Amino acid sequence: DGGITQSPKYLFRKEGQNVTLSCEQNLNHDAMYWYRQDPGQGLRLIYYSQIVNDFQKGDIAEGYSVSREKKESFPLTVTSAQKNPTAFYLCASSDGQGGQPQHFGDGTRLSIL
Amino acid sequence: AQSVTQLGSHVSVSEGALVLLRCNYSSSVPPYLFWYVQYPNQGLQLLLKYTTGATLVKGINGFEAEFKKSETSFHLTKPSAHMSDAAEYFCAVSPQGYSTLTFGKGTMLLVSP
Repeated sequence: DGGITQSPKYLFRKEGQNVTLSCEQNLNHDAMYWYRQDPGQGLRLIYYSQIVNDFQKGDIAEGYSVSREKKESFPLTVTSAQKNPTAFYLCASSDGQGGQPQHFGDGTRLSIL
Repeated sequence: AQSVTQLGSHVSVSEGALVLLRCNYSSSVPPYLFWYVQYPNQGLQLLLKYTTGATLVKGINGFEAEFKKSETSFHLTKPSAHMSDAAEYFCAVSPQGYSTLTFGKGTMLLVSP
């Protein structure tokens, strides 16, 4: 079955440490997205990529970095500059055309040790 | 710029009762509109979407929504609630021609026997 795989499901970060969240899709979608979800805040866009080797900042990009070297992969790094990283992180993909729905992975929950 | 307001962070209904979840949006250009559902510790699943054409949109699990341009609304309804409908629901807007989504803060639907 086609879909989006996020790993790990749970992740713990120590102070001052960078951590990388994995997102892989086999839907042959051009566009991929990273969202942060906090209770009562909905989903907020961190970064998105509409094509390989290109990506744009979303609304809350500070303290995060991404790469898009392959169509199927869009890893997110939470850097030590992100002072409040505890959240649920969701990856999504779409064919990039307006009006087409985004498909979501099952998320990674990041906590601070 | 676009924004979404979901009225009521929590909505409680009895099993068999009408479900009404409210969504109002603002968009500087004609919008695409979406409703997603999220079960605990999972990603989001698309319930339905409006792009163009018929303003009453039917989705999965018996849900439907009506696009009302004059009221800038896209409320979600279901005639008879089931216990399995208990989840968090998100309304989202995307300007026509764009693939990024702006989400509301979500409404938790509670269903009592």
